[in-house]
Amino acid sequence: QVQLVQSGAEVKKPGASVKVSCKASGYTFTSYDINWVRQATGQGLEWMGWMSPNSGNSGCTQKFQGRVTMTSDTSISTAFMELSSLRSEDTAVYYCARVRYYSDNSGYHRPIFDYWGQGSLVTVSS
Amino acid sequence: DIQMTQSPSSLSASVGDRVTITCRASQSISSYLNWYQQKPGKAPNLLMYAASSLESGVPSRFSGSGSGTDFTLTISSLQPEDFATYYCQQSYSTPYTFGQGTKLEV
Repeated sequence: QVQLVQSGAEVKKPGASVKVSCKASGYTFTSYDINWVRQATGQGLEWMGWMSPNSGNSGCTQKFQGRVTMTSDTSISTAFMELSSLRSEDTAVYYCARVRYYSDNSGYHRPIFDYWGQGSLVTVSS
Repeated sequence: DIQMTQSPSSLSASVGDRVTITCRASQSISSYLNWYQQKPGKAPNLLMYAASSLESGVPSRFSGSGSGTDFTLTISSLQPEDFATYYCQQSYSTPYTFGQGTKLEV
């Protein structure tokens, strides 16, 4: 069965970096993109960006440009999200999600997040 | 960025009730609208995609409709396990924004 298992909770000081891992199993890792979504305590879901384990390409929302790096190691079927220059507002649960694409009547491929990791709590505190 | 607005933010209901949650996009997103369910301390779970397509394994009491800017998620007869927070998400363009969530409570 498809599983995404994320790394454990982290406590970081402001200005530091954190690297969250997401190990995939039960499917061909390079066949599906991975997206990252975060959720501050008691708040909604915030999409951060995507990466393709097949091509190595990635992209993120403007809010995180210059601070986030999304990579993968296909030899161990693991995706990584590194966030730098941490501030208190980055305290959140970070989720990885597998992306499945469906085709609409126009032939466009649209993403849906069909499997999620269990989440990794990152706390930024001095 | 496309803004997604859900209503209501919270909803009190009882087992057996029919409930409807609304999601409105700030611009037309065709039918590129997904719904997720999230229970406390858990990751979101995909319920519906393309506005009205039920994800495999999701009970048929869930249904979705809409296109353009206005969408609804309906639960025909609430079950105890349906009390959770529901999020809509547009997959029309990046960033793939979510609504703020609707908490369904007893």
